[in-house]
This record gives sequence, structure tokens and C-alpha cells, in this order.
Amino acid sequence: AQTVTQSQPEMSVQEAETVTLSCTYDTSESDYYLFWYKQPPSRQMILVIRQEAYKQQNATENRFSVNFQKAAKSFSLKISDSQLGDAAMYFCAYRSAIYSGAGSYQLTFGKGTKLSVIP
Amino acid sequence: EAQVTQNPRYLITVTGKKLTVTCSQNMNHEYMSWYRQDPGLGLRQIYYSMNVEVTDKGDVPEGYKVSRKEKRNFPLILESPSPNQTSLYFCASSLSPRANEKLFFGSGTQLSVL
Repeated sequence: AQTVTQSQPEMSVQEAETVTLSCTYDTSESDYYLFWYKQPPSRQMILVIRQEAYKQQNATENRFSVNFQKAAKSFSLKISDSQLGDAAMYFCAYRSAIYSGAGSYQLTFGKGTKLSVIP
Repeated sequence: EAQVTQNPRYLITVTGKKLTVTCSQNMNHEYMSWYRQDPGLGLRQIYYSMNVEVTDKGDVPEGYKVSRKEKRNFPLILESPSPNQTSLYFCASSLSPRANEKLFFGSGTQLSVL
């Protein structure tokens, strides 16, 4: 079974600064997707960014970018020019692209990192 | 507007009183799933459905039931709720089960079982 580990339960960043949230995962599969979800106080789950394992190029979405290290099984999220609206819980998630019976395709989430943004 | 609608948003109940949390999507999605979120544990999948009449267990299915009689609806049933089922529940759907499909989440249901 796949596991996703977020080693930083809480982090803080000064407004306009850059912060990196770490995520590692464990899998024996070669084809999968990785995601970062944001959960603000409204509880809504918002997809921030996703990365396909076969793509070497790191995904970028505006101020959000990832550092994907496949061999190290690491998938960190960098938030540049942090804004007050970035304050939220961030979840890293893994999803297999291989159908292997029951339980396939489910998202496996990490435990989350609570990000605070200091004005 | 494309969305996943969960009801109710908040629910307080007592041990043993059967309840249903409804989930409906208007995007003609094949894949639907239920997650529970607990502090320090992240989100864990309860059940999922690949299509009408096709459901399967996730990581934490004990104490829950689901049904998928129509494509748009995927209710979560707690036949005899217990305090350890106090949690934040999310329904999610995607066009297909493929890994690259975006998952759309509902707004969540905060359940308290006394």
C-alpha cells in the first residue's frame, strides 16, 4: 500500500516571502499522479497543483510550483510571494494510475501541514 | 454550475440513530467516493463507486454503507452511528476513475455522534 508523509504539521511564513512544504511518499509503482490540495477555513478542498510521475518537468501554477524528485520519492510544494489567502491546511496526495483491483485509483492523503501567513 | 452537493453541512446525532448523508453531482461523473477527515490523520477513503451499482471498500469502511442506484447520487449511510464516527466527511467525484482526472469535492459534512 502506498503511504504519504508530511513531516511538518505546522509552518509559518511572512507575507511576500517564500515557503516550501515537504512531502514524501512510498510506492513500488512507476505510473502515478501526485497532488497538492489546499483546505482553507471554509473546509473546501481545492486542487492546487498536480504532477504526473512520467513528466520530468516540475509543474507550476502561478505562484505555486513543485520540486518532484522521483528517485527520492519527494514532492515538495513551493509557494512564492505568500499572501494572507494562502493560509490553510495543505495536503499532499498520491493516486495510482494502474488498475490493480479493489482500492485502485483512490487518493492516499498525507496528514496535512497547517500553513500560517504572518502579515 | 458544476458542483458536488452534500447535505447536511452539520449534523449532531446520538449513538445508534441511523442517519444518511446525501451526495449529488451534476456533472455526469462515473466515479464517486467518500472520505473522512480527522485531525492528525488527513483524509481516508471510506467507499468508492466506479459506476452505477458498482461500489467497493476503501481504507476505513467499517460502520458505513453506500449505494449507487443512480449515477448522480451516492449517499453515505450510518446504520448505527458511534462516537468514533464523529468526523468531517467529504464526498468527491470525477469524470472517470483514471488517476489524471480532477476530483471535485463537496463542501463537507461535520458529524458529531454523542
